[in-house]
Amino acid sequence: QKEVEQDPGPLSVPEGAIVSLNCTYSNSAFQYFMWYRQYSRKGPELLMYTYSSGNKEDGRFTAQVDKSSKYISLFIRDSQPSDSATYLCAMREDSSYKLIFGSGTRLLVRP
Amino acid sequence: SQTIHQWPATLVQPVGSPLSLECTVEGTSNPNLYWYRQAAGRGLQLLFYSVGIGQISSEVPQNLSASRPQDRQFILSSKKLLLSDSGFYLCAWRRDAVQETQYFGPGTRLLVL
Repeated sequence: QKEVEQDPGPLSVPEGAIVSLNCTYSNSAFQYFMWYRQYSRKGPELLMYTYSSGNKEDGRFTAQVDKSSKYISLFIRDSQPSDSATYLCAMREDSSYKLIFGSGTRLLVRP
Repeated sequence: SQTIHQWPATLVQPVGSPLSLECTVEGTSNPNLYWYRQAAGRGLQLLFYSVGIGQISSEVPQNLSASRPQDRQFILSSKKLLLSDSGFYLCAWRRDAVQETQYFGPGTRLLVL
């Protein structure tokens, strides 16, 4: 079993839809949780990070962490075609240098 | 502000040839530096990690090596490339061990034929 599981998609939604992207994990020691967006043939770009449980909002993006369920989510409101990309979740333990990544979910927002 | 550069952007090399990929970071000092490889449709595999000049931790024993000759320069090398070395190579940095996350460069796409 992988430490971090992420549905590869693709997830296809119409423009304006609310998108929900998710990751599950097995290591209860993970404390930092991140979401990266990666456009085709580009490096990943940090979107959101949260520490421990709770919600964090930034514009159209909301990150949620439920440590009791070992489940994290990224919500995108009013999705745009420019949101079409692969979304990678990543997480790490408190004192670790190493980020553990999910394999990414490919999102397609149709105009 | 900080900027991370990688070159070349794309590289096509024959099997058995050597490799040198370079990563440099601007706008910070003594960053933690990382090399990752991303295979098509796959997640990121950590290859090497460095906390300072000459200090390299290898995550996956393989055909590759890394060096950090200067504070903000990180080099990924191979003496003889294998077909399986093809992939998208990403360099990343973070300010120090306290900073929560990492920031990635634009990547180098390597195709070994």
